[in-house]
Amino acid sequence: DAGVTQSPTHLIKTRGQQVTLRCSPKSGHDTVSWYQQALGQGPQFIFQYYEEEERQRGNFPDRFSGHQFPNYSSELNVNALLLGDSALYLCASSLGTDKGYTFGSGTRLTVV
Amino acid sequence: GENVEQHPSTLSVQEGDSAVIKCTYSDSASNYFPWYKQELGKRPQLIIDIRSNVGEKKDQRIAVTLNKTAKHFSLHITETQPEDSAVYFCAAPDPNSNSGYALNFGKGTSLLVTP
Repeated sequence: DAGVTQSPTHLIKTRGQQVTLRCSPKSGHDTVSWYQQALGQGPQFIFQYYEEEERQRGNFPDRFSGHQFPNYSSELNVNALLLGDSALYLCASSLGTDKGYTFGSGTRLTVV
Repeated sequence: GENVEQHPSTLSVQEGDSAVIKCTYSDSASNYFPWYKQELGKRPQLIIDIRSNVGEKKDQRIAVTLNKTAKHFSLHITETQPEDSAVYFCAAPDPNSNSGYALNFGKGTSLLVTP
């Protein structure tokens, strides 16, 4: 039973560029949440997708956008990258209204 | 997360001792409180959770207690072992959500268990 998979594992981008991160949820899960984890901090909620729609959004600018596909996989897009966007981006999947998350290993994004 | 405060930020105990980490939350309507363990360079993993209809839950050496009146919940680890060394995060539902589906996390507690 596959867990949550994220790609790529590491990424280096230049300030101003755009990036797309991908997530496949755990088998049987239909909800995907994205979090940003800065070094030494707790995960910060970006947004959550359910039934291909953004169900809830955290305090992140519009440069952060996402999508969920019919197979429940999801993408996180960040435009006009800033140095401060450097972080570990975590994807978590869950089932419906069940709040129990399963996290992926994350994508380490470095903006230079 | 704005509504979750976690203490202490670091905790060092000797092997065999107990460790306690405490979190407070702001929304009295919150009904789900998980704890995650994150080892260095690895993903956060759910270790225990509690729902608001119970006051305590145990799983071997790990327990979580919930005080709804005071709006705080605590993680208790007994007979600590070096492999318990990690960063522990508490979480609670986002009060700004109509549905409360998203979780807000504390800033984490770095636990070090020394032999």
